[in-house]
Amino acid sequence: DVKVTQSSRYLVKRTGEKVFLECVQDMDHENMFWYRQDPGLGLRLIYFSYDVKMKEKGDIPEGYSVSREKKERFSLILESASTNQTSMYLCASSPPPLEDQETQYFGPGTRLLVL
Amino acid sequence: GEDVEQSLFLSVREGDSSVINCTYTDSSSTYLYWYKQEPGAGLQLLTYIFSNMDMKQDQRLTVLLNKKDKHLSLRIADTQTGDSAIYFCAERTVYNTDKLIFGTGTRLQVFP
Repeated sequence: DVKVTQSSRYLVKRTGEKVFLECVQDMDHENMFWYRQDPGLGLRLIYFSYDVKMKEKGDIPEGYSVSREKKERFSLILESASTNQTSMYLCASSPPPLEDQETQYFGPGTRLLVL
Repeated sequence: GEDVEQSLFLSVREGDSSVINCTYTDSSSTYLYWYKQEPGAGLQLLTYIFSNMDMKQDQRLTVLLNKKDKHLSLRIADTQTGDSAIYFCAERTVYNTDKLIFGTGTRLQVFP
C-alpha cells in the first residue's frame, strides 16, 4: 500500500513566522503535489514537483515555496505566514502516468491555523 | 479553461440511494475519478472511469458518464452513516496528464 505521511496533523503559528510542512512518500513516486483545501473552493494546487529539484507552480503559488531535495520528501514553505494561509494542506504523490488510470495518493492533511 | 463543478451539500436518509453530480468543461478528459474524504482525513480514491465508458459499477457504487453533457455522477446504493463524507470528482486531461483537476467537493450527510 502506498503511504503518504505529513509531519503534523495540526499546527498553530503566528503571523510572520516561517512555516515548514513536510511530506514523505514511500512508493518511489516521481510526482508530488501540495494542495490547500478551503470550504467551497475544493482543492487548489499550490506547487507540483515531477522530479528531485524540479518544481512547477500550481494555481495559487503566491506566498509559498517548495523544496524537493530527495525523491521521497516534498516540503512546503510559508516564508512569512499570514492569516489568509489558515487552511488544510494536503500532500499527494503519484507515479508518472504510464498507465493512464494512475491516480494520486494523499496524506492525512495538516490543518494550519495562523494567528 | 478547465473547471469542475459540484453542488456543495447533499442530505439523504440511511438506506436510500445518494446521487452526487459533477460537471466539467474540458472535453479532453481521459480519466475521471471519485474521491472520498472522511472527517479529518486525506482523500481516498473510490473509483474511476475511462472517458470512453458510459458506466462503471463497483459494489454499491455506480458511476455514470455523459460525455455529450460533460456530466459525471456517483450513485451510492443503500447509503449508510459511514458514507457521510466529502466527495470530490476529478479529471485528468490529455493536455496535462500529470495533474488532476478537482471539483469543489460535495458534503454528503446521512441521517437515520
